[in-house]
Amino acid sequence: DIQMTQSPSSLSASVGDRVTLTCRASQTISSYLNWYQQKPGKAPTLLIYGASTLHSGVPSRFSGSGSGTDFTLTISSLQPEDFATYYCQQSHSTPRTFGQGTKVEIK
Amino acid sequence: QVQLVESGGGVVQPGGSLRLSCAASGFTFSNSPMHWVRQVPGKGLEWVAFIRYDGSSKFYADSVKGRFTVSRDNSKSMLYLQMSSLRVEDTALYYCAQERTDTRHLPFDPWGQGTLVTVSS
Repeated sequence: DIQMTQSPSSLSASVGDRVTLTCRASQTISSYLNWYQQKPGKAPTLLIYGASTLHSGVPSRFSGSGSGTDFTLTISSLQPEDFATYYCQQSHSTPRTFGQGTKVEIK
Repeated sequence: QVQLVESGGGVVQPGGSLRLSCAASGFTFSNSPMHWVRQVPGKGLEWVAFIRYDGSSKFYADSVKGRFTVSRDNSKSMLYLQMSSLRVEDTALYYCAQERTDTRHLPFDPWGQGTLVTVSS
């Protein structure tokens, strides 16, 4: 099984900050990497697929990059509605493993 | 609009059984591969099971293999998860999710709101 490791587990940031989240796969997954956002009490929602393609309706302050084993999710200017937990997921093979999540909190 | 609605969660004793349902609407369910994902409250996401659009192929997480069975009824746009020999560690919020096939990267979108399963004596 492919293991997904996210870092950091949590971070504190202020509105307007640039934030970068990292996801690493235990083996190469090309660009088969998806990012989800989950707000408290809500189901996850798709943010980015294929490592860098923004899902419809996702603000352009979100961006994704990477290929192979190392990936990043960047929020260029953090907004109040962005405080949430972010999960990466590989879709290279089954089981479709998730990272443990990065919780973005208000400083 | 595209919608997934889970139901069937509840409290069950260890060793018991439960069947979860997921009602799909707003898209061609019979063309869509589907997944179950679970989340222990306050913890991360764990992929549980996959079923091909026609039900001909199924995969399971090792943690549930041999105890859970995923199925679907395309005539009713329904997805199911039959859970048996339940353990305390199966306690979680269970989500169904559609696998998007309009991209080779096959992300999960959308997700249902989840149904809570509590295994406790």
